[in-house]
Amino acid sequence: GQQLNQSPQSMFIQEGEDVSMNCTSSSIFNTWLWYKQDPGEGPVLLIALYKAGELTSNGRLTAQFGITRKDSFLNISASIPSDVGIYFCAGQPYRNLIFGKGTKLSVKP
Amino acid sequence: EPEVTQTPSHQVTQMGQEVILRCVPISNHLYFYWYRQILGQKVEFLVSFYNNEISEKSEIFDDQFSVERPDGSNFTLKIRSTKLEDSAMYFCASEAADRDYEQYFGPGTRLTVT
Repeated sequence: GQQLNQSPQSMFIQEGEDVSMNCTSSSIFNTWLWYKQDPGEGPVLLIALYKAGELTSNGRLTAQFGITRKDSFLNISASIPSDVGIYFCAGQPYRNLIFGKGTKLSVKP
Repeated sequence: EPEVTQTPSHQVTQMGQEVILRCVPISNHLYFYWYRQILGQKVEFLVSFYNNEISEKSEIFDDQFSVERPDGSNFTLKIRSTKLEDSAMYFCASEAADRDYEQYFGPGTRLTVT
């Protein structure tokens, strides 16, 4: 089945640093979504991308839909302690979402 | 702000028992989904539901699973005879027709099968 490769798996950064993570797929997706999940909670939608090449921001978060429609990246600028959590990319071939394995972000205060 | 709600937050059941997980989607949404997440793993799609019928389902969603929208607000997932490997977090999600593909997730039900 379709799979997403999300990297890095985990990262430790200093508060104030910028963060970058990405997802790649062997298949084309119509939509890319980025979610954040805190422990014991459901995924929270951060950004949705609909068009190849689209660059969208949500506060300190910026995400792009790759031109080939097979990849996407998420950047977090000036990280803060509450950015800690697991970030998932999700691609949408039809209506269902296929999730990546997540990037666990830990910030040192 | 409207949100998806799920009950119970934690369900413990014995192997072979039936469980029903409940969800109240966001009120004006038309598409409904169930996903599951085994501890420490990624979120996996189970089933999508639209216009009172299943529109897609994954290989995980076998004959032991069923979904129902019994009234205008609830959306349920039933597992007929639970197995140990059904232990997971189960998330309900909903999506508005005019905000295509933006799925909003509930807080999840942690199912523990003993």
